[in-house]
Amino acid sequence: GAVVSQHPSRVICKSGTSVKIECRSLDFQATTMFWYRQFPKQSLMLMATSNEGSKATYEQGVEKDKFLINHASLTLSTLTVTSAHPEDSSFYICSASQGGQFTYEQYFGPGTRLTVT
Amino acid sequence: AQSVTQPDIHITVSEGASLELRCNYSYGATPYLFWYVQSPGQGLQLLLKYFSGDTLVQGIKGFEAEFKRSQSSFNLRKPSVHWSDAAEYFCAVGAFNNDMRFGAGTRLTVKP
Repeated sequence: GAVVSQHPSRVICKSGTSVKIECRSLDFQATTMFWYRQFPKQSLMLMATSNEGSKATYEQGVEKDKFLINHASLTLSTLTVTSAHPEDSSFYICSASQGGQFTYEQYFGPGTRLTVT
Repeated sequence: AQSVTQPDIHITVSEGASLELRCNYSYGATPYLFWYVQSPGQGLQLLLKYFSGDTLVQGIKGFEAEFKRSQSSFNLRKPSVHWSDAAEYFCAVGAFNNDMRFGAGTRLTVKP
């Protein structure tokens, strides 16, 4: 149980275009979803936290107009990188939390490799 | 806010040897501690977690970790390393508000 999927696993886009990454909790309802960014050989950096039906809370330094997060349902959150540039190339990982007694545990997706050319 | 330090960026051990990966945390309240493993290009897999109770926690793949409050540590151990254990290991600390912070990671290389 507690499986999180991401789609696509890899995406290449041209500079100036937008790309959407989906994060789904497959067998549980995720009250909270998280988006992380990971640069090569570095740790995960939290970008934003989203609760279903609410606006996402962005970490300091993360441009909310560039990284649009939508958490429209209890099983789906999307991250849209708008007007992507090469420096946005990274590994994006989402995670989901069930809430309640499981609030402190996050289940991670397999990640999405974004390359902006 | 909480923070995590993994002092060792890279560790090399021989197959069959024992392993200890260090993790120190900073948090004012009771921490929720995790160890994750990440293979290249993959997501994170939970090895084990500590919320409360017994300070020695058993995880998957033969890993264990010990929570030591006096040392603010949560070191990961394995008595005999296998070549398939080569990966990146992340320690993380969670807070009551779902906020999870990761250490910088320790890359494990296993020599034949």
